[in-house]
Amino acid sequence: QVQLQESGPGLVKPSETLSLTCTVSGASISSYYWSWIRQPPGKGLEWIGYIYYSGNTYYNASLKSRVTISVDTSKNQFSLKLSSVTAADTAVYYCARWVESGALTWFDPWGQGTLVTVSS
Amino acid sequence: SYELTQPPSVSVSPGQTASITCSGHKLGDKYGCWYQQKPGQSPVLVIYDNNKRPSGIPERFSGSNSGNTATLTISGTQAMDEADYYCQAWDSSTDVVFGGGTKLTVL
Repeated sequence: QVQLQESGPGLVKPSETLSLTCTVSGASISSYYWSWIRQPPGKGLEWIGYIYYSGNTYYNASLKSRVTISVDTSKNQFSLKLSSVTAADTAVYYCARWVESGALTWFDPWGQGTLVTVSS
Repeated sequence: SYELTQPPSVSVSPGQTASITCSGHKLGDKYGCWYQQKPGQSPVLVIYDNNKRPSGIPERFSGSNSGNTATLTISGTQAMDEADYYCQAWDSSTDVVFGGGTKLTVL
């Protein structure tokens, strides 16, 4: 059974960099794609980006200039960095496995999510 | 950029059938999936590949996708089905796209 767990600071100051890590258990990270998705309080889901174990990354165009997703196969983890954050980046951040076969795609499973608040 | 549109809310009586729609240009030519999110919980995949149910998802959940609209249908809706539902697809120009979500209320 694949499980994902997010970790990282729950409070980040404006203009600083948000950093989160997702630890994968029950499966090797050297398969599938792995993704970050966020959800501002009371709002819908926003895809941030995904990474393949080889290091190939794909980002949401609206966030691309500020996002870096990386993978550490030795630790079975992948990470998110979002720079120059503002209050608009306050959200629950989820990591998830992204399953794809051409245009056939879905996210499953998801981590429990972690709330990151941007505030001074 | 590609967009998916869902109604903000849908109401249904217990035991009745709930239908939640997701609209997008030529969505029927793509593959849609659906997630259920209960308050304070992570989203859970309930339909993938337009109409397939993951293991553990009740048979009352079904999906279809044709033309510009994908539909999630919940037959014999139960109180436990009250949640937010999100559709998702992949588009070659936009990559991953989520609908805005629909709040299902079981009255």
